[in-house]
Amino acid sequence: EAEVAQSPRYKITEKSQAVAFWCDPISGHATLYWYRQILGQGPELLVQFQDESVVDDSQLPKDRFSAERLKGVDSTLKIQPAELGDSAMYLCASSALFEQFFGPGTRLTVL
Amino acid sequence: ELKVEQNPLFLSMQEGKNYTIYCNYSTTSDRLYWYRQDPGKSLESLFVLLSNGAVKQEGRLMASLDTKARLSTLHITAAVHDLSATYFCAVDMYEGNTPLVFGKGTRLSVIA
Repeated sequence: EAEVAQSPRYKITEKSQAVAFWCDPISGHATLYWYRQILGQGPELLVQFQDESVVDDSQLPKDRFSAERLKGVDSTLKIQPAELGDSAMYLCASSALFEQFFGPGTRLTVL
Repeated sequence: ELKVEQNPLFLSMQEGKNYTIYCNYSTTSDRLYWYRQDPGKSLESLFVLLSNGAVKQEGRLMASLDTKARLSTLHITAAVHDLSATYFCAVDMYEGNTPLVFGKGTRLSVIA
């Protein structure tokens, strides 16, 4: 069964360092989403891609976060510099029509 | 601003009992999603409800959608410990292939 892949699964970093997360969507899924989930809350959208284009990044803190999907397949989310408040689960999801399938997530801890 | 409200946020129930989780939302969306999340894990899709009056059942869980009332319910029948998890409902932010807006989740604990 096709799945969304993410790496790393866990990341511990110090404040002010740079971190990067990778996502490989289900093959053929044109739409890719990055969500952030703070402990005890529901996921919230950071950015949406349609193929290689950004559709919605209105909630992405652009002073420190960047996201790209250069060839319209896999995607990278970067944070530089990381802050304590960035500690969260970062979830990648992909969809072909409307139903979204989520990857295992990357748990980020900023010390 | 689109809002999705779940209640209760915390639910402790005994094995064998029935209970319902409610999800209210503020848009005219015709689609609603239910997900399950175990601690430290990602989201597992439970149900996709696509129209008014939709009802889906899987095992001890049954979900329904009333788009006129902007309400979905997740009913748990004869709860067992394995159902302990956090349950999220979500709706499309816009029409079409769009991001989801999630509720805060209902943390369910089933005790013997």
